[in-house]
Amino acid sequence: DSGVTQTPKHLITATGQRVTLRCSPRSGDLSVYWYQQSLDQGLQFLIHYYNGEERAKGNILERFSAQQFPDLHSELNLSSLELGDSALYFCASSPSVPGQVPQYFGPGTRLTVL
Amino acid sequence: GESVGLHLPTLSVQEGDNSIINCAYSNSASDYFIWYKQESGKGPQFIIDIRSNMDKRQGQRVTVLLNKTVKHLSLQIAATQPGDSAVYFCAENMGSGGGADGLTFGKGTHLIIQP
Repeated sequence: DSGVTQTPKHLITATGQRVTLRCSPRSGDLSVYWYQQSLDQGLQFLIHYYNGEERAKGNILERFSAQQFPDLHSELNLSSLELGDSALYFCASSPSVPGQVPQYFGPGTRLTVL
Repeated sequence: GESVGLHLPTLSVQEGDNSIINCAYSNSASDYFIWYKQESGKGPQFIIDIRSNMDKRQGQRVTVLLNKTVKHLSLQIAATQPGDSAVYFCAENMGSGGGADGLTFGKGTHLIIQP
């Protein structure tokens, strides 16, 4: 158990809908990262938040957005969903101290768009 | 395109043997590398990391080797056990340091342990 929690574990929805995925980082970690894992694209970095502020963006679509709240949990919002958005979504957290430190991943949310 | 790639998508080894999983990266500016293990239905699990100022790092039953000259990374697992069966990913950090940017992952190698 990495200490990172994600809810829900599974999500099934229809095209055009909007969903929110939730992540709680490890105790003490200020950084939260979101990743998408699909069969054709592999694991891809989406976005990074540090202590409530957006730090870096990766391959995140404009239909997707995220935020990190004062209690450090983060939400990833996916809107106007398409079939191709079906994937596993992971969040990861890392220690607050700057430097080259590993990211610890949560168990993921499996999103199915029908 | 991806800057991190794996040579072998599937590796099958006998239980008790040593395993070597390889990874190539293309960004010479990458300064931090991590190996993750992902079991079916779970998130990637941190195994071991290495910084670019090191050539080798050892953990419990695992060793990571970094060859910056040829931009190659390998993970050695000693005395493989059934529980080692999983997909292994190498990942690199191409940020300015501090992990500000996300990791770039390779495609993964599926390690199968034969009894």
